[in-house]
Amino acid sequence: GIQVEQSPPDLILQEGANSTLRCNFSDSVNNLQWFHQNPWGQLINLFYIPSGTKQNGRLSATTVATERYSLLYISSSQTTDSGVYFCAVESVRGRAGKSTFGDGTTLTVKP
Amino acid sequence: EAQVTQNPRYLITVTGKKLTVTCSQNMNHEYMSWYRQDPGLGLRQIYYSMNVEVTDKGDVPEGYKVSRKEKRNFPLILESPSPNQTSLYFCASRGGTQQFFGPGTRLTVL
Repeated sequence: GIQVEQSPPDLILQEGANSTLRCNFSDSVNNLQWFHQNPWGQLINLFYIPSGTKQNGRLSATTVATERYSLLYISSSQTTDSGVYFCAVESVRGRAGKSTFGDGTTLTVKP
Repeated sequence: EAQVTQNPRYLITVTGKKLTVTCSQNMNHEYMSWYRQDPGLGLRQIYYSMNVEVTDKGDVPEGYKVSRKEKRNFPLILESPSPNQTSLYFCASRGGTQQFFGPGTRLTVL
């Protein structure tokens, strides 16, 4: 099946810094999403982005489908950005609806 | 309020005692899915359903059953739980491009 690798596994930032999280995948995808899991365990959908670029406030994401990677940018980080960031994909060769998550990037933003 | 609800939120049980974790969504979504989350392993899909009466295996379906008799509900059934099913479980539903997760169920099997 499709492989999803996220990097870095851990990231510690000072408040106000910028960061880039990466998601590499091993096959073509027709669905790619970024999620944030806050320290209380709640999972929130950030972006649906199988290709192209999107922005939502301080967060933006870019997927280069031909090169099989996606980037999540966080600018002017805040302590509330702390948590785990996951990307999840659905392969074009897989069954529709079958979803594979990366292992996540744990972000800690210090005040 | 659009939401996915799961019950129970916490459960401690013993090996072999059948249990059901319920999942319900009020957004009329066709797609629903179950995941388990273990430390260092991210989320792994157990089962998913594209619509009523349509279910399919994810990456870790062994030891689990599901049913989708109506659109809003997607229960997860453990017929004979074992300690390796101790985990944090999430139900999700998806409409269009946005996926909504339930609050999670923390299951401990002794």
